[in-house]
Amino acid sequence: EAQVTQNPRYLITVTGKKLTVTCSQNMNHEYMSWYRQDPGLGLRQIYYSMNVEVTDKGDVPEGYKVSRKEKRNFPLILESPSPNQTSLYFCASQGSINSYEQYFGPGTRLTVT
Amino acid sequence: AQSVTQLDSQVPVFEEAPVELRCNYSSSVSVYLFWYVQYPNQGLQLLLKYLSGSTLVKGINGFEAEFNKSQTSFHLRKPSVHISDTAEYFCAVSRMDSNYQLIWGAGTKLIIKP
Repeated sequence: EAQVTQNPRYLITVTGKKLTVTCSQNMNHEYMSWYRQDPGLGLRQIYYSMNVEVTDKGDVPEGYKVSRKEKRNFPLILESPSPNQTSLYFCASQGSINSYEQYFGPGTRLTVT
Repeated sequence: AQSVTQLDSQVPVFEEAPVELRCNYSSSVSVYLFWYVQYPNQGLQLLLKYLSGSTLVKGINGFEAEFNKSQTSFHLRKPSVHISDTAEYFCAVSRMDSNYQLIWGAGTKLIIKP
């Protein structure tokens, strides 16, 4: 089954404790992206990757890191989480510039206390 | 730069009644237009898209949307809603030369009243 998976689905952590949210897709997609969703703000892009070893900042990159060492994986790293990073996070992928559809993971709800 | 405005944060409607969810956008260049749906506790999935051609596009689950270039709108409609349509609906646009990069509206929650 074609899908984007994220782990964990739920995470409660404390300020300053490094964490990684994993994202993996099995569709051989070139493009991958991380979004955060906050009430009333829709989705805001954090980082994206056009292909392996090619990443770039989105609209709200501060406090986040990413890497793309393999085509299928695109982990999101919070080196020192803060309460303002409490949010719902989505990973998405898209096959090519001509596919016009992004496929989303189920989301990771992160709470930073 | 592009921006997307969804005029209603919530739309309550009775089951089997028609519904329209409004979306307006602004852009200095030509864009592609999308509606995504997010069911409770799930990720988003594509409902429909406008790339070119007929301004009326049909999507999954009986939804359709009409692109109006003069009014820069892309409203979503369904003639008769069901309880299973309860979800949050997001309008998004992308530049034609960079369709990976989506600009999102804030979302509209569709609330179906029995």
